[in-house]
Amino acid sequence: GNSVTQMEGPVTLSEEAFLTINCTYTATGYPSLFWYVQYPGEGLQLLLKATKADDKGSNKGFEATYRKETTSFHLEKGSVQVSDSAVYFCALSASNQGGKLIFGQGTELSVKP
Amino acid sequence: EADIYQTPRYLVIGTGKKITLECSQTMGHDKMYWYQQDPGMELHLIHYSYGVNSTEKGDLSSESTVSRIRTEHFPLTLESARPSHTSQYLCASSESGTAIYNEQFFGPGTRLTVL
Repeated sequence: GNSVTQMEGPVTLSEEAFLTINCTYTATGYPSLFWYVQYPGEGLQLLLKATKADDKGSNKGFEATYRKETTSFHLEKGSVQVSDSAVYFCALSASNQGGKLIFGQGTELSVKP
Repeated sequence: EADIYQTPRYLVIGTGKKITLECSQTMGHDKMYWYQQDPGMELHLIHYSYGVNSTEKGDLSSESTVSRIRTEHFPLTLESARPSHTSQYLCASSESGTAIYNEQFFGPGTRLTVL
């Protein structure tokens, strides 16, 4: 079946450090891939997405590249800020799921000044 | 900005009470979803709907029920709340059609505590 695996958290970084959150997936066919972010006390919001192999999604300084050969969609940011502290979810949508999302378990990021 | 609303935001209630969590969206989306989020952050799909009068159970079994009488409204009901129902409940919606790249828009969530 379809699944998403994220690196475990919590991840604690100092401001301006480089961020990588690993995400790998298992799916039939060619899924779309997403990163969602959840700030404290709020719902999820879409951070970026990629719909085909080698696509790069980007937003707010975050980037992720859809790598079909390694079935990965790792999230990166060159210089994190305190305001990036949140929980990050990797997710996929596959053609055999009718639009439903499969989420990873979430990775909590804490950025210290 | 996503226009999807959930009320109440916080609810503390005693065991055995009937509760309804409200979810409304103004985007005209056909697809709507309910997720339960446990303290470990993991999201579990408990109900979804692809349109009016369509409801399906999700991947995680839940004692709650849902209805979809209007496109914009997707309430979740617990007939008799128990402490095991304590959790965060998130509602989401997405456009209709078969495209798998359509994002889901999430409401702010309802944090339910059953004493």
